[in-house]
Amino acid sequence: GAGVSQSPSNKVTEKGKDVELRCDPISGHTALYWYRQRLGQGLEFLIYFQGNSAPDKSGLPSDRFSAERTGESVSTLTIQRTQQEDSAVYLCASSPNNEQFFGPGTRLTVL
Amino acid sequence: AQSVTQLDSQVPVFEEAPVELRCNYSSSVSVYLFWYVQYPNQGLQLLLKYLSGSTLVKGINGFEAEFNKSQTSFHLRKPSVHISDTAEYFCAVRRQGGSEKLVFGKGTKLTVNP
Repeated sequence: GAGVSQSPSNKVTEKGKDVELRCDPISGHTALYWYRQRLGQGLEFLIYFQGNSAPDKSGLPSDRFSAERTGESVSTLTIQRTQQEDSAVYLCASSPNNEQFFGPGTRLTVL
Repeated sequence: AQSVTQLDSQVPVFEEAPVELRCNYSSSVSVYLFWYVQYPNQGLQLLLKYLSGSTLVKGINGFEAEFNKSQTSFHLRKPSVHISDTAEYFCAVRRQGGSEKLVFGKGTKLTVNP
């Protein structure tokens, strides 16, 4: 079956522009997570959705970051007024239980 | 809160040599433990996980890890590595119960040389 997919795979943008990243989770997975991986670093948790519960936004680094999820399907991560320090790989994962399945990521470069 | 320390940022080894990648964690509550592998330009793939039961966990590609609660460690081992094992390895923990977020270490870059 299909795994977690993310689009675009690469995004280059100019400082100050807004970007939107998309994640399609595995069908039936109730939980969805966004992580950020900066160069040479581990993954940092950003936000997580679980069913119809209020999302856990505790990892979002600033109010320029937001995310939405429609039901138990697609999620979008939006970064407003991008800064150079936002350059990273943004990874999405979905989970039916204890294991998280990761997508290939979106590499964001802010010039 | 949980934290993960991977003591070695880079580990170079020769092909067919044994390898151990170290991981220590800190948590005030019970946790699940994971090792993920990231091959160049690819996403993360689960190598193995410890949820409960036997403290020696076997994963894919001949890797295994041992959970040591007293030392709060979850070191990853392989008795004989291949060139194809060259990748970055991440240790992660999450709190037991529910669909909690993963807390990752900074990763260990394993380079297998011929």
